[in-house]
Amino acid sequence: QVRLQESGPGLVKPSETLSLTCIVSGGSITDSHWSWIRQSPGSGLEWIGNAYYSVYDGWTTRYNPSLQSRVTISLDTSKNQFSLVLKSVTAADTAVYYCARIPTSWGDYLDSWGQGALVTVSS
Amino acid sequence: DIQMTQSPSTLSAAVGDTVTITCRASQSIGRWLAWYQQKVGKAPKLLIYKASTLQSGVPSRFSGGGSETEFTLTISSLQPDDFATYYCQNYDRLSVFGQGTKVDVK
Repeated sequence: QVRLQESGPGLVKPSETLSLTCIVSGGSITDSHWSWIRQSPGSGLEWIGNAYYSVYDGWTTRYNPSLQSRVTISLDTSKNQFSLVLKSVTAADTAVYYCARIPTSWGDYLDSWGQGALVTVSS
Repeated sequence: DIQMTQSPSTLSAAVGDTVTITCRASQSIGRWLAWYQQKVGKAPKLLIYKASTLQSGVPSRFSGGGSETEFTLTISSLQPDDFATYYCQNYDRLSVFGQGTKVDVK
């Protein structure tokens, strides 16, 4: 059974870059697709973006239009992990960040989630 | 952009009740809809995908229905473990979540 674990700094200064990694165990990162979602304190879920791996094309990405100019998701197949980078953060980016798995190529629903990592943006 | 609107925002119910949550899409999304359950301090858990397909291991008291723009999640005979917040997710092309429905104790 695949397991996901987020890791990264819990505190980031305004205008700096947020970087998180999702370590995947119990399965190969090349066997599925992957997603990042966040949840601001007391709020609902916000999709950040997805990364899709193909043996033919490598990886491709799809992002939330509201974050697209600041976000990058990448895969590291050698380490079986994927990453989120969010630039120029503000207090509005304070949230619990989740990584999740997209189990099929026929729909981006999320069947396995990490426990979440709280990132606070503050000076 | 597609918007997903859940109703109600909060639903008060008792153990044994049957409850229904509605999720409406601002335009047709076929059956590209999932439902999740989230408890406080925990990650969401997938309940249903493709509008009505029950995820493995999820109790059969959960059921999903609908298509195009209107979808429902029904919990039959509500159990103590079911008090939580529920989210719908459209995954037609981009992903969009509904704002959530909290099911609490009447």
